[in-house]
Amino acid sequence: AQSVTQPDIHITVSEGASLELRCNYSYGATPYLFWYVQSPGQGLQLLLKYFSGDTLVQGIKGFEAEFKRSQSSFNLRKPSVHWSDAAEYFCAVGAKTPLVFGKGTRLSVIA
Amino acid sequence: GAGVSQSPSNKVTEKGKDVELRCDPISGHTALYWYRQRLGQGLEFLIYFQGNSAPDKSGLPSDRFSAERTGESVSTLTIQRTQQEDSAVYLCASSPSQFSGNTIYFGEGSWLTVV
Repeated sequence: AQSVTQPDIHITVSEGASLELRCNYSYGATPYLFWYVQSPGQGLQLLLKYFSGDTLVQGIKGFEAEFKRSQSSFNLRKPSVHWSDAAEYFCAVGAKTPLVFGKGTRLSVIA
Repeated sequence: GAGVSQSPSNKVTEKGKDVELRCDPISGHTALYWYRQRLGQGLEFLIYFQGNSAPDKSGLPSDRFSAERTGESVSTLTIQRTQQEDSAVYLCASSPSQFSGNTIYFGEGSWLTVV
């Protein structure tokens, strides 16, 4: 069965610092991987997705993620965090089935 | 409309009452999904519709939950005899097809509180 683990429930970073949010997945075949962001009181917005090809994927808002098959990971990164990045981040996996989501990582940004 | 529209945005109901939540997907999207998000939890898949195919109901938590979809348009999620543990945000999403490679677009959710 497919599953997604986001080991960090809550992360706090300083504005301008770099960020890495971890995501590990379990999937029987080549996965399609996604990162979504949920800002307070808003719906989920797609940041980026990986299907195949280049394992480093660029997304919106300066985010990127790297697919590492050997580690079953798809970590999200940003070199310099902005206060507006404070939100809940969800990793998801799926193919021809409804996406399975992790439990999310809440990001807080401090001055 | 431009995005997935859900109503009501907020609903407070008494335990034991029935509730209906509505989702209007993006025009032309054949796939429609319902997810539940409890406070501090991830998204829990409930049900999805793909065109005229039989819906995948494998995520519905009990027979108190049901959903319908009219063709490739509006969907209604019904919760009968609500319980306090049903309190959550119910998120609807749509995508151009069943293929998960397509981006799934989410609505802003219906916040349900059962008192």
